[in-house]
Amino acid sequence: SSELTQDPAVSVALGQTVRITCQGDSLRSYYPSWYQQKPGQAPVLVFYGKNNRPSGIPDRFSGSRLGNTASLTITGAQAEDEADYYCNSRDSSGNHFTFGGGSKLTVL
Amino acid sequence: EVQLVESGGVVVQPGGSLRLSCAASGFNFHDYTIHWVRQPPGKGLEWVSLFSWDGDSTYYADSVKGRFTISRDNSKNSVYLQMNRLRPEDTALYYCATEGVVVPATIDYWGQGTLVTVSS
Repeated sequence: SSELTQDPAVSVALGQTVRITCQGDSLRSYYPSWYQQKPGQAPVLVFYGKNNRPSGIPDRFSGSRLGNTASLTITGAQAEDEADYYCNSRDSSGNHFTFGGGSKLTVL
Repeated sequence: EVQLVESGGVVVQPGGSLRLSCAASGFNFHDYTIHWVRQPPGKGLEWVSLFSWDGDSTYYADSVKGRFTISRDNSKNSVYLQMNRLRPEDTALYYCATEGVVVPATIDYWGQGTLVTVSS
């Protein structure tokens, strides 16, 4: 299967830790990329590979993978982290890409 | 600075055709794979197509295969998406995006998108 499944909605109290998960068979072969999208803006890459953050992304963002499930963890969530988060991976053929359905993060 | 600027989005009738353009700057365009990704209003991201950096390969999502064609002109630092037999479900904001400019094998930079509306 080329599908990636995410919980549609996730919430976290300000300053607490939240984990956003992504599940799919392709994750057994490929590490996902994670994107943050705020209303009216293009997606922004926030984490990729085994353990990589692009320049400028705070170190409170981290990632992990176990079997067919990957997670994006925000340690000490801030109000500005409220956004939609998408995972992305190649499919099993390696030639197509697929996105998860997205998780809307609310910071309470 | 990497910049991607999409254009060509308009309102079109079902069954019609449209060509989107993406103008790139700030990097060696011919060295990188370019993707199209779309987002229907209020919904999630959907990968649409890619054109490989070496010019050898194009790939499409099943939802658009046979109707959409991706092309690129390295002399103009541009990539295009020819969209035929459009359906209402093709209504979306269409983004072009780079792969691997700073992050290997990863969609990294995105444009701001161009809106396509398929409606009678």
